[in-house]
Amino acid sequence: RKEVEQDPGPFNVPEGATVAFNCTYSNSASQSFFWYRQDCRKEPKLLMSVYSSGNEDGRFTAQLNRASQYISLLIRDSKLSDSATYLCVYTGGGNKLTFGTGTQLKVEL
Amino acid sequence: DAGVIQSPRHEVTEMGQEVTLRCKPISGHNSLFWYRQTMMRGLELLIYFNNNVPIDDSGMPEDRFSAKMPNASFSTLKIQPSEPRDSAVYFCASSWAGDNYGYTFGSGTRLTVV
Repeated sequence: RKEVEQDPGPFNVPEGATVAFNCTYSNSASQSFFWYRQDCRKEPKLLMSVYSSGNEDGRFTAQLNRASQYISLLIRDSKLSDSATYLCVYTGGGNKLTFGTGTQLKVEL
Repeated sequence: DAGVIQSPRHEVTEMGQEVTLRCKPISGHNSLFWYRQTMMRGLELLIYFNNNVPIDDSGMPEDRFSAKMPNASFSTLKIQPSEPRDSAVYFCASSWAGDNYGYTFGSGTRLTVV
């Protein structure tokens, strides 16, 4: 089983739609969680950290469920510029990050 | 802040040649990571350093790969001899060990071995 599992997509959604991604992880000792965004042929960039209490940053909401070992990302009112690959990431101790293979989002007119 | 700087941006080389990738981390960061990204395998951690010391090199594919960090501002990843299956994008990232704000990645080196 992969350490981090994500649906690769692509998720094709119309502009203005709400879209959600889930990610499951296998290491119960995982400590910190993040969502990264990667545009085509670019480097990954930190989108937001994920906390057990849930956290929101504008149109983006991230949630962590430790009991079920999954994290989620919700994007409201999606924009064309949100089209990218979203990577689920965790640390299992220390500061070594483990990345999922990503979920591709395409926002269309 | 100049960010993490990698060179070269693109490298095309023939099978069997030596390839050296370079990275300058963000000043003040004390952790440095080398990742490789392919379509099939996604982002894989090759090796990381804390305070210039290699901590975990379990991701280095084989003896053809080696990495060094002679000082806090410079690291190299060397492949000798290179093979076509080494073709990938190689990313360097840095962070401050102990914070929970993730890494900053460089723009990557796109390596093609023909």
